[in-house]
Amino acid sequence: SQQGEEDPQALSIQEGENATMNCSYKTSINNLQWYRQNSGRGLVHLILIRSNEREKHSGRLRVTLDTSKKSSSLLITASRAADTASYFCATVFPSGTYKYIFGTGTRLKVLA
Amino acid sequence: DAGVIQSPRHEVTEMGQEVTLRCKPISGHNSLFWYRQTMMRGLELLIYFNNNVPIDDSGMPEDRFSAKMPNASFSTLKIQPSEPRDSAVYFCASSFSGDNQPQHFGDGTRLSIL
Repeated sequence: SQQGEEDPQALSIQEGENATMNCSYKTSINNLQWYRQNSGRGLVHLILIRSNEREKHSGRLRVTLDTSKKSSSLLITASRAADTASYFCATVFPSGTYKYIFGTGTRLKVLA
Repeated sequence: DAGVIQSPRHEVTEMGQEVTLRCKPISGHNSLFWYRQTMMRGLELLIYFNNNVPIDDSGMPEDRFSAKMPNASFSTLKIQPSEPRDSAVYFCASSFSGDNQPQHFGDGTRLSIL
């Protein structure tokens, strides 16, 4: 099965609300990355969090990492219609390689 | 700056035909990745190169698939012969070396094998 699995699979919220997506992974990691994919486009890197970090912010994005639970969450605050996209977490496995494993993704729909 | 450029954006062909997908990475990046995305299997890493050398091709599904990187600015993914189950979106991505480097994706090639 996938190294990373996001939940929920799909999320629908109103503009202005916060959106939280979760990612679980199976093995030890050096870092975890989050990406966004708009319909019909390639993935875009959002943020990277290292294994020795617990929380990281970038604009309206907040990422947390709990290595004891092998999980990460992505919070988008004050969501906008333009945030409508699929969101993926990615880890490298085995560690030390460039073999990126992407999760199953969360489809976020923000209603105006 | 130009991003990762893939061509063609769409390809429709009949089974048995040879398909060649092309990718131009971002200048200066020395790692290049080919992925396949389907609804059933999600995003799968097919092969990656570092400094033009294939490092890991364990994700290549069958011998019908091959990839080359003749120089730092060009890579191809070839399917010969193509089959309907190869229908998917194929992405190329590039980055600087290192597992802490963000990957930059092209907009993909949507491949349909009839």
